[in-house]
Amino acid sequence: EVQLVESGGGLVQPGGSLRLSCAASGFTFSSYWMSWVRQAPGKGLEWVANIKQDGSEKYYVDSVKGRFTISRDNAKNSLYLQMNSLRAEDTAVYYCARVGAARPPEGYYYYYMDVWGKGTTVTVSS
Amino acid sequence: DIQMTQSPSSLSASVGDRVTITCRASQSISSYLNWYQQKPGKAPKLLIYAASSLQSGVPSRFSGSGSGTDFTLTISSLQPEDFATYYCQQSYSTLSITFGQGTRLEIK
Repeated sequence: EVQLVESGGGLVQPGGSLRLSCAASGFTFSSYWMSWVRQAPGKGLEWVANIKQDGSEKYYVDSVKGRFTISRDNAKNSLYLQMNSLRAEDTAVYYCARVGAARPPEGYYYYYMDVWGKGTTVTVSS
Repeated sequence: DIQMTQSPSSLSASVGDRVTITCRASQSISSYLNWYQQKPGKAPKLLIYAASSLQSGVPSRFSGSGSGTDFTLTISSLQPEDFATYYCQQSYSTLSITFGQGTRLEIK
């Protein structure tokens, strides 16, 4: 069964750090881009970061650049999100997602998030 | 960044109704548009990718259309399990992925 399981969430004070993990199973982890997406309480979805299959490319939403770092360990089938200098506005459920791809007749690949974990909750509060 | 705007923000409908949700991009994104369904307390679920391709296992009452800046998600005959929040998402700019604000579909 294809599965993603997040862990590492919790309560942290403003300015603190937290490291989220996502354990993948049931598919060849090293063949996929991976993403982190978050959802603040009562709000919509917000993409946080992407990482290429070999970790050579990483992209972030502007609001977390310089504070969050996405990484992966393909030998352990695991995705990570190191979150530093946390702010109240980082409070959210954090999901990891597999990025699927489909090749069109011409042009760039179509990318989409086709497998999601259940999420882990991060609360930033004093 | 490419902004995605969904309309309406909320919608009331009855079982059996045909429902259409619209998503507009701030610039042309060709067909790089995905749709997701999210139920309360659950992770999002992919419904449609590449604007009109149905994800495996998704019922055929869901369909997507559009290209460029204007896109629609249509549910041909609402079922009780379809009441949820729906999000569009552009993948044209993989350096900066953006979602629409969501459309909440409620039972009338």
